[in-house]
Amino acid sequence: SQELEQSPQSLIVQEGKNLTINCTSSKTLYGLYWYKQKYGEGLIFLMMLQKGGEEKSHEKITAKLDEKKQQSSLHITASQPSHAGIYLCGADRDSNDMRFGAGTRLTVKP
Amino acid sequence: DTGVSQDPRHKITKRGQNVTFRCDPISEHNRLYWYRQTLGQGPEFLTYFQNEAQLEKSRLLSDRFSAERPKGSFSTLEIQRTEQGDSAMYLCASSSLTGTANGYTFGSGTRLTVV
Repeated sequence: SQELEQSPQSLIVQEGKNLTINCTSSKTLYGLYWYKQKYGEGLIFLMMLQKGGEEKSHEKITAKLDEKKQQSSLHITASQPSHAGIYLCGADRDSNDMRFGAGTRLTVKP
Repeated sequence: DTGVSQDPRHKITKRGQNVTFRCDPISEHNRLYWYRQTLGQGPEFLTYFQNEAQLEKSRLLSDRFSAERPKGSFSTLEIQRTEQGDSAMYLCASSSLTGTANGYTFGSGTRLTVV
């Protein structure tokens, strides 16, 4: 079974709408990463969260970490077509390599 | 430094052939990782190097797969006797030893199609 579960698997929103993507870990989180991937491309680092309650923002994207629930959420405000892509959460393991969720495919309709 | 480079970007090969992919990491990064990604899935860890030492290998890395990083710089991933199930995107990433606060830096990947 996946260590990291992402929900929803896919999301279609109208341009300008807000949205939230969730990532839940079945194991203790040492660090939680959010990446964005365009189809057929590599992953682009968005942000990393390490401490419980931590919240970071980059432009219109905000991510939070709930360490007790072993969960993170990624929130996009006023979505734009440029936000479309696959959002992946990744987590450090104690063996120094990162594991990923299956991703959330976001489509933004103009 | 332009980031992590992977070559080739695309490879089509016949079943049973051997293929080799190359990854050039960011020069000051000590760690190098290989992942495999199939359609609709997140990247799956294959193996990682710290300098030239291969420190961990996934069970996904069958005997037909081998990875090297001979001088602690670029790395190669070889697949022998390719099978259709090997068709995937192969991603390389690198990071520094001092921490991953900026995450891993990924290359654009090599897409392998086995026909």
